[in-house]
Amino acid sequence: AQKVTQAQTEISVVEKEDVTLDCVYETRDTTYYLFWYKQPPSGELVFLIRRNSFDEQNEISGRYSWNFQKSTSSFNFTITASQVVDSAVYFCALSHSPDPGTASKLTFGTGTRLQVTL
Amino acid sequence: GAVVSQHPSWVICKSGTSVKIECRSLDFQATTMFWYRQFPKQSLMLMATSNEGSKATYEQGVEKDKFLINHASLTLSTLTVTSAHPEDSSFYICSARDRPAWNQPQHFGDGTRLSIL
Repeated sequence: AQKVTQAQTEISVVEKEDVTLDCVYETRDTTYYLFWYKQPPSGELVFLIRRNSFDEQNEISGRYSWNFQKSTSSFNFTITASQVVDSAVYFCALSHSPDPGTASKLTFGTGTRLQVTL
Repeated sequence: GAVVSQHPSWVICKSGTSVKIECRSLDFQATTMFWYRQFPKQSLMLMATSNEGSKATYEQGVEKDKFLINHASLTLSTLTVTSAHPEDSSFYICSARDRPAWNQPQHFGDGTRLSIL
């Protein structure tokens, strides 16, 4: 069974602080993909990043960076110099190779609500 | 690219009414779409996988007669909440992949807030 754990329910930071959102996953598959999505107050989910299980290189995109460590089954997300517009709920998700004839599903974590204040 | 449009964005209706929600892929074709439900401050729960031209696959515990899914074309899936009751009030979100491979990201619609009075 697949499982994604985001232990941090809510985080509150002051603008310009760095913040790391934790994600720990469980899977028996050797091939899988991890995703991060952002859900602002308006409700839509915005895709941020995808990472496959064979690529442990860290990735940086502007103020966003991701640290994938298979040894600890973690895929953490760091926002550098946070801004008020970063306030949202962030979801980590896991996708694995589906059984033949079925569509692969996303298993979501419970999300971390990030509040960035002035 | 990869835009998913969902309509309506907000519905308020009386108990017993049936409500139809549309999910469209605007710039790509989607053989598979997904329907999720999200309660306030909770995660997304997959309700069903919508397959173009065939029956939807429902997750355990989801009533297929209550939540009717139709995926009649490669760009449109609909979710009908039949005889809706207050406990059906929730945020419903659809998604689709712009490429069929299982490792591609799902792109989400803006969601529909359903309130049953």
